[in-house]
Amino acid sequence: SQTIHQWPATLVQPVGSPLSLECTVEGTSNPNLYWYRQAAGRGLQLLFYSVGIGQISSEVPQNLSASRPQDRQFILSSKKLLLSDSGFYLCACDPGGRRTVSFFGQGTRLTVV
Amino acid sequence: DQQVKQNSPSLSVQEGRISILNCDYTNSMFDYFLWYKKYPAEGPTFLISISSIKDKNEDGRFTVFLNKSAKHLSLHIVPSQPGDSAVYFCAACFRGSQGNLIFGKGTKLSVKP
Repeated sequence: SQTIHQWPATLVQPVGSPLSLECTVEGTSNPNLYWYRQAAGRGLQLLFYSVGIGQISSEVPQNLSASRPQDRQFILSSKKLLLSDSGFYLCACDPGGRRTVSFFGQGTRLTVV
Repeated sequence: DQQVKQNSPSLSVQEGRISILNCDYTNSMFDYFLWYKKYPAEGPTFLISISSIKDKNEDGRFTVFLNKSAKHLSLHIVPSQPGDSAVYFCAACFRGSQGNLIFGKGTKLSVKP
């Protein structure tokens, strides 16, 4: 069965500091991978998705970037965090390319101070 | 502009009764709808889905109804159990969207014993 590992679970970072959130997937190969963010009082917003190594699509312009150095690794980064980057970040996996995002990671609660 | 709306932020139901969670959408291009359940500090888990060619899909205690003319779907949980207490997200996508889901803001369901 598929498993998504996402870390850290919580993170407090000062404004202007860099960010790196890592997500790894087990139990499937060549999945579609996604980064979502849930800001306070809002639904889940898709930030990036990747259909393969080195292939990244961005859904919204922002202060963040994503990379997929390996088939089952997806990284969310920022060079300089803003206060507005605070939120709950979720990595998600669509195994086998089916059109259903079935599996989510545990999430990272990021607070920018 | 929210394309997927869950207008009730919370719902309280007695154990054993029916829970009905509602979701409205504005984009007629959506052809696939999903419900996710989320416990605190965890990622969402897939619950049930429905294609736009159907008007009902049932899985155990969970049934999703789709009314395309009204651009409305609902999730019925019968009978409700205390373990069903969670936040429920409605999501939608359309063909060719690479699984990019548009989520509602969620409805917090509380099932009281």
